[in-house]
Amino acid sequence: GENVEQHPSTLSVQEGDSAVIKCTYSDSASNYFPWYKQELGKGPQLIIDIRSNVGEKKDQRIAVTLNKTAKHFSLHITETQPEDSAVYFCAAAVYGQNFVFGPGTRLSVLP
Amino acid sequence: NAGVTQTPKFQVLKTGQSMTLQCAQDMNHEYMSWYRQDPGMGLRLIHYSVGAGITDQGEVPNGYNVSRSTTEDFPLRLLSAAPSQTSVYFCASRTPGANEKLFFGSGTQLSVL
Repeated sequence: GENVEQHPSTLSVQEGDSAVIKCTYSDSASNYFPWYKQELGKGPQLIIDIRSNVGEKKDQRIAVTLNKTAKHFSLHITETQPEDSAVYFCAAAVYGQNFVFGPGTRLSVLP
Repeated sequence: NAGVTQTPKFQVLKTGQSMTLQCAQDMNHEYMSWYRQDPGMGLRLIHYSVGAGITDQGEVPNGYNVSRSTTEDFPLRLLSAAPSQTSVYFCASRTPGANEKLFFGSGTQLSVL
């Protein structure tokens, strides 16, 4: 079955700097790669996703890149702000099947 | 639009007690699922359902039961709670079709003493 690894497990950046979180997946059939943000005491919330027919997607300060050949995808956050501090999860899925999540990255944005 | 609603938000049980975690969604999603979240282990799938009357096991189903009598509700039952079931539990539902997306509830924090 699918296995998703995520690095780093914790990340601290200065406010205004960029943050990058990387995930790798094992099942070459996976074709959907969402990213979730979880704030303290809340459920994960979808922030951006990418499908396998696209190499990059942007939404304001966040972007996701996908390398299907290497089976890895990354979340990029530019101009980080204190409200970006949270736990971020990546996931991989084959269309119509269950999502498999990475272990999460705790991002701290230092003022 | 409420989305996915979970109750209770917090619960403390003694070993051996039983309880039901409630989950309801108002988006008419056929697919619903339960995850548990433990430190360093991400979100692990317990059980899922692709429609009323249909349930299946996920990665970590032992000690949990589910049923799906309606599209809206997907309760998770702990038959005899164990300390290893101390965790945060999330219910999620998924939009259908090619543009599928997973939506989570706010979670239930469960402690088993």
